Amino acid sequence: SQQGEEDPQALSIQEGENATMNCSYKTSINNLQWYRQNSGRGLVHLILIRSNEREKHSGRLRVTLDTSKKSSSLLITASRAADTASYFCATSNYGQNFVFGPGTRLSVLP
Amino acid sequence: DAGVTQSPTHLIKTRGQHVTLRCSPISGHKSVSWYQQVLGQGPQFIFQYYEKEERGRGNFPDRFSARQFPNYSSELNVNALLLGDSALYLCASSFSKTGSDEKLFFGSGTQLSVL
Repeated sequence: SQQGEEDPQALSIQEGENATMNCSYKTSINNLQWYRQNSGRGLVHLILIRSNEREKHSGRLRVTLDTSKKSSSLLITASRAADTASYFCATSNYGQNFVFGPGTRLSVLP
Repeated sequence: DAGVTQSPTHLIKTRGQHVTLRCSPISGHKSVSWYQQVLGQGPQFIFQYYEKEERGRGNFPDRFSARQFPNYSSELNVNALLLGDSALYLCASSFSKTGSDEKLFFGSGTQLSVL
């Protein structure tokens, strides 16, 4: 299985602090994506990083990918209460479907 | 443009019954995938349909079936419901087959409770 595993399972920080969550996977991939889910509803795509990329930025988000360690990290800078959600990494390989990890539950306290 | 729409939003069934969940993808998207999300876990892949053909199936029993219509909308059917089928069922659409660099657009899901 190429299932991603997020770490930590839960994270609680104060507004303005940075939040870092990690994802590990088992097999080769062609890309890794991060999604956010509010209150158990639909997931929203945040950012995609390809296997030949090492770092990518989008607004307050920074994603890194280390294919040698089969791991990725998502950094949210200057967090806000509205960032409170569950965050999932999803991996895919050519011809295969997305596999999601169990997620990190982020709580940003005002 | 409308996003991915799913119906119904909530559903309560009893064990042994049958359920049909519906999904309309974003206009122009030809791929629809179904995921099951049990509380506290990540989404688990059930099916993917592309151009009305099944292109992938997850590790779910034959009680689960799906189809895609000519307008690319999709139905997920579950027969002989078990208590363990209680979950949030998510539909996701994308322009092409998953496994490429496409990103998934999710609906808000159908919360199924089996009593």
